[in-house]
Amino acid sequence: DAKTTQPTSMDCAEGRAANLPCNHSTISGNEYVYWYRQIHSQGPQYIIHGLKNNETNEMASLIITEDRKSSTLILPHATLRDTAVYYCIVSRGSNYKLTFGKGTLLTVNP
Amino acid sequence: DAGITQSPRYKITETGRQVTLMCHQTWSHSYMFWYRQDLGHGLRLIYYSAAADITDKGEVPDGYVVSRSKTENFPLTLESATRSQTSVYFCASGGSTGVLTFGAGSRLTVL
Repeated sequence: DAKTTQPTSMDCAEGRAANLPCNHSTISGNEYVYWYRQIHSQGPQYIIHGLKNNETNEMASLIITEDRKSSTLILPHATLRDTAVYYCIVSRGSNYKLTFGKGTLLTVNP
Repeated sequence: DAGITQSPRYKITETGRQVTLMCHQTWSHSYMFWYRQDLGHGLRLIYYSAAADITDKGEVPDGYVVSRSKTENFPLTLESATRSQTSVYFCASGGSTGVLTFGAGSRLTVL
């Protein structure tokens, strides 16, 4: 599976959009981009995933560049409860094996 | 209730003792996983299972044993616990979408 690079930490003001970048320059054609988050002491939580097209659900939007070498997770209106470590993972969906890196610690400030 | 449950949530044991962490899911997901999480190492895959009676090693399998006699259960056994196995253990399951759902975790302390 392709490796990913994420910033170690980011800050965001409550109510503003949080834009979390991820670089995956070695991604191959059959690999998906997954985003999970982990709120302190809890199990990781699935947020969204995509292959080529941009995706949106009730939690977030995923923007994937045309060359698929990077992506951005957007939380449109961040709240204090969104403070968590966010993991960007690239994987073939068929085998489910996810390799977690260090992720980005997003801190939402009042 | 539908979901994935882990037990016990907290366990303290002594070096050399056998410990079994249980994981149960109600969705009949084919895939199940065990991860451990330590400060400085993030989440690391211990073992996974693609179906009942099919298991395979992950990144850090040494010292652990798994079984999957029923689709819904995936116990993780530490046959002789060591202090280095003090960690938080997360179980996960995955269905047809390729998305994993994680349990709440089991915090194990080995004295």
